[in-house]
Amino acid sequence: SQQGEEDPQALSIQEGENATMNCSYKTSINNLQWYRQNSGRGLVHLILIRSNEREKHSGRLRVTLDTSKKSSSLLITASRAADTASYFCATRQGGSEKLVFGKGTKLTVNP
Amino acid sequence: GAGVSQSPSNKVTEKGKDVELRCDPISGHTALYWYRQSLGQGLEFLIYFQGNSAPDKSGLPSDRFSAERTGGSVSTLTIQRTQQEDSAVYLCASSLGLAGAGGYEQYFGPGTRLTVT
Repeated sequence: SQQGEEDPQALSIQEGENATMNCSYKTSINNLQWYRQNSGRGLVHLILIRSNEREKHSGRLRVTLDTSKKSSSLLITASRAADTASYFCATRQGGSEKLVFGKGTKLTVNP
Repeated sequence: GAGVSQSPSNKVTEKGKDVELRCDPISGHTALYWYRQSLGQGLEFLIYFQGNSAPDKSGLPSDRFSAERTGGSVSTLTIQRTQQEDSAVYLCASSLGLAGAGGYEQYFGPGTRLTVT
């Protein structure tokens, strides 16, 4: 079954607005990562949050993790047209090396 | 420095033919991962290597898929007797080490787009 599920599947906003994407997962994890993918090719790592962390910032990105609800959110503030991409959450369970990705949120930032 | 490279970038093959996809990880990265992404979908884990060994092959879709890594560096994913459902982007990633409990960032290559006609 799908471990990470992003919500919404697609999001369209205007430049300057904030974008929030959510990720839910099913089993316990030791960390959760967010990746960005442009044009259906290589992924770029954005941020990693460990299971004992609740919030993490990196530039215009803010990630929260609620292990009791098995959910995470990615907030992009002051969005730019260049932020247009698909965003994926990925989780690693226990001692497994497998990184399980959700289906992603497709973000479109209109200039 | 150089990132993860993959070749070819695009491959069109006829159903039933064998294909080999290559991944060159970042130098010094001991862990290497293969994923498959079908159109509009998330990534599906296929296999990972620690050094030259592959402890977890559970993600390989069928026995037509195999992968090897030599010298702790280059990896090859081979698909035998390709089928149309094998059409996808095949992505390779490498990281400094295994995740364990810490977590390492995975660096992805640009992928190989495989089309089986």
